[in-house]
Amino acid sequence: GAVVSQHPSRVICKSGTSVKIECRSLDFQATTMFWYRQFPKQSLMLMATSNEGSKATYEQGVEKDKFLINHASLTLSTLTVTSAHPEDSSFYICSARDGTGPTEAFFGQGTRLTVV
Amino acid sequence: DAKTTQPPSMDCAEGRAANLPCNHSTISGNEYVYWYRQIHSQGPQYIIHGLKNNETNEMASLIITEDRKSSTLILPHATLRDTAVYYCIVRADNYGQNFVFGPGTRLSVLP
Repeated sequence: GAVVSQHPSRVICKSGTSVKIECRSLDFQATTMFWYRQFPKQSLMLMATSNEGSKATYEQGVEKDKFLINHASLTLSTLTVTSAHPEDSSFYICSARDGTGPTEAFFGQGTRLTVV
Repeated sequence: DAKTTQPPSMDCAEGRAANLPCNHSTISGNEYVYWYRQIHSQGPQYIIHGLKNNETNEMASLIITEDRKSSTLILPHATLRDTAVYYCIVRADNYGQNFVFGPGTRLSVLP
């Protein structure tokens, strides 16, 4: 299947700093990318949907000024956690859809964020 | 909200077939059934999807009942590496629509 690469796989940062997570579609053009968050022993929860070249759509309760999403090209979307706090510690996962290919989405390997 | 119901956990002996059920009684005519799995600390992995016909690929088989209100994912010869949380998701064939994950079924393949 198609490959979605997410980087970094894990990151530790200090409270108050910002962290950027990259999500790349390696062998297809992703017109739509999704960002999820997963807390321990819970399922994935959608944070936002981003379409290339336009502003992201955030789910209710997700602060758009805290979780900045940029989808500037058809192969790259970034999630920046600004002014991170310990409660932002979580597993962040992106997924991407091929705008012209199969309808299934492919997921990155996830980023484990720990804020200390 | 997830539109599916799955048992929270199941065990399966290594080498035997694992049959994972999913109920989706409110599925609409344009909604597909997708299966993903998530091995610990990894992103979800696509397994298979179907609309109304049974489907088979190198990973699994998907059996959808005629009324489409339930389905079964079959791993024909489970291995220890198949231990994971399996998610059954129904969604329309719409490129802009996300995948809504429920709690899934935690499958443990036992030696």
